[in-house]
Amino acid sequence: GAGVSQSPSNKVTEKGKDVELRCDPISGHTALYWYRQSLGQGLEFLIYFQGNSAPDKSGLPSDRFSAERTGGSVSTLTIQRTQQEDSAVYLCASRPTGTAADTQYFGPGTRLTVL
Amino acid sequence: AQSVTQLDSQVPVFEEAPVELRCNYSSSVSVYLFWYVQYPNQGLQLLLKYLSGSTLVKGINGFEAEFNKSQTSFHLRKPSVHISDTAEYFCAVSDRGTYKYIFGTGTRLKVLA
Repeated sequence: GAGVSQSPSNKVTEKGKDVELRCDPISGHTALYWYRQSLGQGLEFLIYFQGNSAPDKSGLPSDRFSAERTGGSVSTLTIQRTQQEDSAVYLCASRPTGTAADTQYFGPGTRLTVL
Repeated sequence: AQSVTQLDSQVPVFEEAPVELRCNYSSSVSVYLFWYVQYPNQGLQLLLKYLSGSTLVKGINGFEAEFNKSQTSFHLRKPSVHISDTAEYFCAVSDRGTYKYIFGTGTRLKVLA
């Protein structure tokens, strides 16, 4: 079946612009996560959605970062007034319920470059 | 707070030789443990996981790992590596509620011909 998809695969933007990154999770997966992979920081947790519960935003690095998940499916990560230190690969993962509820399935990532 | 340490940032090894990639974790609660592999320009792929039960877990591509609670370790091993195993390997822990991952900094395995 289809895996987690992310778009765009690459995004180049100018400092100060806003960007939106999209994640389409595996159908039926109730949990969705965003991570950031950067050279200096490795893989960092950003935000976690579980069903209709309030998201866990504890990993968001600043108030310029926000995310939403509409209809329990697609998620959008928004970065406002981008800075050069936001350059990274942004990974999305989804997780099912049931017997495989312990494992996250990752998308290919969006590579963000802020000039 | 949970943390994961992968002491080796890079590991070069000759083809058909054995390899061990080290992972140590700290946590005050019971955790799940995972190894993921990332091939160049690709996303993360699950290699294996420890949830409970037998401390020796086997994964895909001939990899295995052993959970050692007393040493808080979860080292990854393969008895004979191939060129195609060249990739970056990440160890991760998650709690048993939210399943948020805390990742190590990764180990770049380079298999030499």
